[in-house]
Amino acid sequence: EVQLVESGGGLVEPGGSLRLSCAASGFSFRVAWLIWVRQAPGQGLEWVALIKTNSEGARTDYAAPVAGRFHFFRDDSTNMVSLQMNSLKTEDTAVYYCSTMNWKGYVDYWGQGTLVTVSS
Amino acid sequence: NFMLTQPHSLSESPGKTVTISCTRSGGSIASNYVQWYQQRPGSSPATMIYENNQRPSGVPDRFSGAIDSSSNSASLTISGLKTEDEADYYCQSYDGSKSVVFGGGTQLTVL
Repeated sequence: EVQLVESGGGLVEPGGSLRLSCAASGFSFRVAWLIWVRQAPGQGLEWVALIKTNSEGARTDYAAPVAGRFHFFRDDSTNMVSLQMNSLKTEDTAVYYCSTMNWKGYVDYWGQGTLVTVSS
Repeated sequence: NFMLTQPHSLSESPGKTVTISCTRSGGSIASNYVQWYQQRPGSSPATMIYENNQRPSGVPDRFSGAIDSSSNSASLTISGLKTEDEADYYCQSYDGSKSVVFGGGTQLTVL
């Protein structure tokens, strides 16, 4: 059974930092692309970041609103990915989902999400 | 980059058929695969359609997907509507290089 379990969400002040983690199991992690998708309260889904496999150089791509502030890492030895979020803004408040995506764009598995609240 | 535009909301009666559109601006709808996700309140999204018209195992055949190059749009059709189909639906596509794009979502009411 595929499992993606996010952790690390919480309350942080504007300008602060937070690191989200996602523990993966039940599939071949090292050949998987992982993404983060967020959903602000009452709003739609928004792609945040993508990381490809280590054999592809662990290439990362970011949505424009987070580029330069967020950094996506993977550790194939522990089957985990992390999203380091810096210079947080109130508009970053959202539930963050960790998901797998194939090269055709199919997001096939989703975690349960972790809530990040940016507020003073 | 491109955008995917969906109607904000739709409403239909049980037993009827509803079609949700997803119009691409910036490039051809046929350039990249389109997926459709269902999200019920308080739950993570779940895939209804992938690669334009493929159903994951376990998704009823009441759900079907298509693309139409003439209107540069994709569509999700749900036939024999059930109250349990009431949810938000999102289309999504990946440009193959740098961007994953979601449509704004359509709130479907079945009543």
